[in-house]
Amino acid sequence: EVQLLESGGRLIQPGGSLRLSCVGSGFTFRKYVMSWVRQAPGKALEWVAGISDSGHDTYYAASVQGRFTISRDNAKNTLYLQMNSLRGEDTAIYFCAKEDLPVAPSTIGLGFDYWGQGTLVTVSS
Amino acid sequence: DIQMTQSPSSVSASVGDRVTITCRASQGISGWLAWYQQKPGKAPKSLIYAASTLQSGVPSRFSGSGSETNFSLTISSLQSEDFATYYCQQTLTYPRTFGGGTKVVIK
Repeated sequence: EVQLLESGGRLIQPGGSLRLSCVGSGFTFRKYVMSWVRQAPGKALEWVAGISDSGHDTYYAASVQGRFTISRDNAKNTLYLQMNSLRGEDTAIYFCAKEDLPVAPSTIGLGFDYWGQGTLVTVSS
Repeated sequence: DIQMTQSPSSVSASVGDRVTITCRASQGISGWLAWYQQKPGKAPKSLIYAASTLQSGVPSRFSGSGSETNFSLTISSLQSEDFATYYCQQTLTYPRTFGGGTKVVIK
């Protein structure tokens, strides 16, 4: 059974830093593209960042470019999101998600077939 | 970036109704579109990928169609468990943008 388990979310002051983790199990983690998606309270889904299976290629939403860093440790089956210079508008539930590709390597995907349960990040003084 | 626009933002329907949600991309994305269902307090669930391919285990009352800039998700006969919010997402390129969501509520 595929499982994704996020952790690391908490209350943090504006300007602070936080690292989220997502551990994958039940699939060959190193073979899949991964992403972080967030959802502010009562709002729509927002894609945040993505990373290739090897970790060599990373992609970011404009809203987090330069502040957030996505990375992965395939030996530990773990995806990370380092979040710096946090702002109130970063308050959200953060989900990690797994994506399959029709052909690799490619930036074309088949959507997120599995999601974690999410971890809540609250940025407030 | 590719913008995704869903309509309507909310639809009121009864059990047994046929419901159609539309999604428009700001530029052509071929058939690279996914649909998700999200219930309150839960993670999204994948329904459809590549515009019309059902994920394993998704009931056949769900169907997707479209290409390039115009897409739709249809629920042929709405069931009680289908009341939720639905999102489209383009999967052609990064950033992987989502639509604003369509909430299906009980009439």
